Amino acid sequence: ETGVTQTPRHLVMGMTNKKSLKCEQHLGHNAMYWYKQSAKKPLELMFVYSLEERVENNSVPSRFSPECPNSSHLFLHLHTLQPEDSALYLCASSQDWVSDSPLHFGNGTRLTVT
Amino acid sequence: ILNVEQSPQSLHVQEGDSTNFTCSFPSSNFYALHWYRWETAKSPEALFVMTLNGDEKKKGRISATLNTKEGYSYLYIKGSQPEDSATYLCAPNQAGTALIFGKGTTLSVSS
Repeated sequence: ETGVTQTPRHLVMGMTNKKSLKCEQHLGHNAMYWYKQSAKKPLELMFVYSLEERVENNSVPSRFSPECPNSSHLFLHLHTLQPEDSALYLCASSQDWVSDSPLHFGNGTRLTVT
Repeated sequence: ILNVEQSPQSLHVQEGDSTNFTCSFPSSNFYALHWYRWETAKSPEALFVMTLNGDEKKKGRISATLNTKEGYSYLYIKGSQPEDSATYLCAPNQAGTALIFGKGTTLSVSS
């Protein structure tokens, strides 16, 4: 039990679909993150939320839209994705976003765009 | 963009061997350095978070050192076991920024 739960674990979607990834943490953390893991690339930071406010957005295409309704939940809304967006999407949380507290990761969503 | 280099990219050792990996990062504006272990089919797990130059941390057979002046950290595994097989990620952050991960070192330990 990692304390960070991601759903779904696997997702296959067409380029015209709209889907959402969900992340939930029960650790009482104030910061939540979306990372993307593509083949042969390092974990890429996509979005950071601190106390439900977006604090970093690393030039992510607008077809990825994050939502943080409260400090325990984080969503990543997907629409009109491209095949190159196929990757493992990891959610993480930490006590605070600019601190020395470690990240706690979920198990990820393996996304395939056809 | 923070440039994080990890070496070697991959490593294969025999059970009982000791090994070490390197993480290099820009020393300017340093805030903290994290090490994570990522086993296949699991999520990354935090090993250490270090902030002070000269820091040394230990967890069982795994230890890490930090040199913030020259911008590097070493991760050591003593007496490697098959269960140590994983990808080891380092992630520094500068003040006011989130973690940036290196590509990792993938360790394979044969029994």
